[in-house]
Amino acid sequence: GIQVEQSPPDLILQEGANSTLRCNFSDSVNNLQWFHQNPWGQLINLFYIPSGTKQNGRLSATTVATERYSLLYISSSQTTDSGVYFCAVDWTDSWGKLQFGAGTQVVVTP
Amino acid sequence: GAGVSQSPSNKVTEKGKDVELRCDPISGHTALYWYRQRLGQGLEFLIYFQGNSAPDKSGLPSDRFSAERTGESVSTLTIQRTQQEDSAVYLCASSLGRDYNYGYTFGSGTRLTVV
Repeated sequence: GIQVEQSPPDLILQEGANSTLRCNFSDSVNNLQWFHQNPWGQLINLFYIPSGTKQNGRLSATTVATERYSLLYISSSQTTDSGVYFCAVDWTDSWGKLQFGAGTQVVVTP
Repeated sequence: GAGVSQSPSNKVTEKGKDVELRCDPISGHTALYWYRQRLGQGLEFLIYFQGNSAPDKSGLPSDRFSAERTGESVSTLTIQRTQQEDSAVYLCASSLGRDYNYGYTFGSGTRLTVV
């Protein structure tokens, strides 16, 4: 199966700081999604981004499919950004079977 | 419905008992997915449905686990003869389906504790 590696595993930010989270994957993908799991366990889809760049408010994401990585940018972080950020992919012949990375635990301090 | 609804939200059961977990997807979403998340870990794929067909059951951990879906609506995940290692949050998600480039919407999960 495909390998999905996220870095860093943990990140502590002061409110207002910017950060970049990375997701590397080992094979060509059909589907790449970024999720935020808040401290209460709810998973929220942030981006569907198998290639290209998207922005949504203070968050943006870029996937370079040919180089097999994706980046999630958080700008002007807020305490509500705390939680775990997951990258998930599916690949050729595996539609529907998203493989999740281990996640990046983000803590934003006031 | 407006979102993916899962019930019950919490379930405590005795080892050896059977449990049923329910998922109501977003109306119109043809694809439905089940994942498991053990404490402090990532998500583990269990099974997905396209309509009421389950093309890939490879993620089900053992033959004690089964799932079914009625049409493009409700799905039930059944765990027979529960074991302590089945304790986890069981998450359901839905999406528009293979021909649509949209992400998944997850429910709030069912927290299962086997004692």
